[in-house]
Amino acid sequence: DTAVSQTPKYLVTQMGNDKSIKCEQNLGHDTMYWYKQDSKKFLKIMFSYNNKELIINETVPNRFSPKSPDKAHLNLHINSLELGDSAVYFCASRRTGVPEKLFFGSGTQLSVL
Amino acid sequence: GEDVEQSLFLSVREGDSSVINCTYTDSSSTYLYWYKQEPGAGLQLLTYIFSNMDMKQDQRLTVLLNKKDKHLSLRIADTQTGDSAIYFCAESIKDYKLSFGAGTTVTVRA
Repeated sequence: DTAVSQTPKYLVTQMGNDKSIKCEQNLGHDTMYWYKQDSKKFLKIMFSYNNKELIINETVPNRFSPKSPDKAHLNLHINSLELGDSAVYFCASRRTGVPEKLFFGSGTQLSVL
Repeated sequence: GEDVEQSLFLSVREGDSSVINCTYTDSSSTYLYWYKQEPGAGLQLLTYIFSNMDMKQDQRLTVLLNKKDKHLSLRIADTQTGDSAIYFCAESIKDYKLSFGAGTTVTVRA
């Protein structure tokens, strides 16, 4: 059973569209994240939820809206997609406490044409 | 990120040792981490070190921490082709938040 699963794995869409990426973890963790990895492999945190509450909200355009319906799910909705949104988006989760061992999903490659 | 810096590429011959270096900025980081990313996959935690330790050994992996210089290194002994991947250094900068370096792409040649 996959610990952190995200769908879809690939997403190709036109500029201006709205799309969602879903993430689920079956590890019983209480903190979940979205990270963006650009073409140079630089990994930047976007959002984090702890027990369905938003705790990290980095400087990302407000076209990006995370939603956590329960502790096991964290979805990412993106409005009015732009070319610069093309990247690989990773979901991750961890149990609260230290050390901060993150478990990552396998990524969603988003291509905006 | 700007908080964590790593060299971008390392090429090593199979059977040799690999050393990947990293510098970080937040002296209050409690733990420092090494993650591995294989092609088409997410990051996996390889190992971590508590900030009051100088060294940690885990089978073929040795982590060295120089807290004074804020320098972290990962040594992989007897490097194998399966070790080809991107290696990310990370520091914990505040609650719930890890800051990652840009990753070092390690290529193992026969």
